[in-house]
Amino acid sequence: ETGVTQTPRHLVMGMTNKKSLKCEQHLGHNAMYWYKQSAKKPLELMFVYNFKEQTENNSVPSRFSPECPNSSHLFLHLHTLQPEDSALYLCASSQAYGEQSGYTFGSGTRLTVV
Amino acid sequence: GQNIDQPTEMTATEGAIVQINCTYQTSGFNGLFWYQQHAGEAPTFLSYNVLDGLEEKGRFSSFLSRSKGYSYLLLKELQMKDSASYLCAVTDSNYQLIWGAGTKLIIKP
Repeated sequence: ETGVTQTPRHLVMGMTNKKSLKCEQHLGHNAMYWYKQSAKKPLELMFVYNFKEQTENNSVPSRFSPECPNSSHLFLHLHTLQPEDSALYLCASSQAYGEQSGYTFGSGTRLTVV
Repeated sequence: GQNIDQPTEMTATEGAIVQINCTYQTSGFNGLFWYQQHAGEAPTFLSYNVLDGLEEKGRFSSFLSRSKGYSYLLLKELQMKDSASYLCAVTDSNYQLIWGAGTKLIIKP
């Protein structure tokens, strides 16, 4: 267990489906992140929540919609995705955004869009 | 633009030593991280360097030269379990983490 739990581990969805990814941490961290990891590419930061407030949205298409109901939980709602959205989606947390602390990552959700 | 460069793939022999290099061009510098990621698993923290020099932690060491925009991760006494991807990341002046694409390390018996 890494301290950050993501579900589901694997997800196959059609382009017209709606699904959600879930991330949970009980490390007492106040910042949570969504990253997209594609093969042989750097991690792409998608969204940042610091103390439950969204602080970053790195030009992510609106078909990805984040939600942070409390500092322990983070969701990524997906709808009308494209095949190029197939990737590993990683959740991470840290003590707070902008502080020099390492990130704790979840094991990710492997998403395949068909 | 901001950029992190590291080799795509390296191969080494069990019991040997391997050095994984990372060069960076970023707007400012507030520290450099190395993470290890086994296939299908979460990236896990290995090291953090903010000052020049070598930081040793067991079989793993990380070196930083800020003037050269350069770091390396040194793995000694390689074990089969060290087969993984190694990610270099730099914190810029805005405390944004800039990531490299990772180096896949293959260990052969």
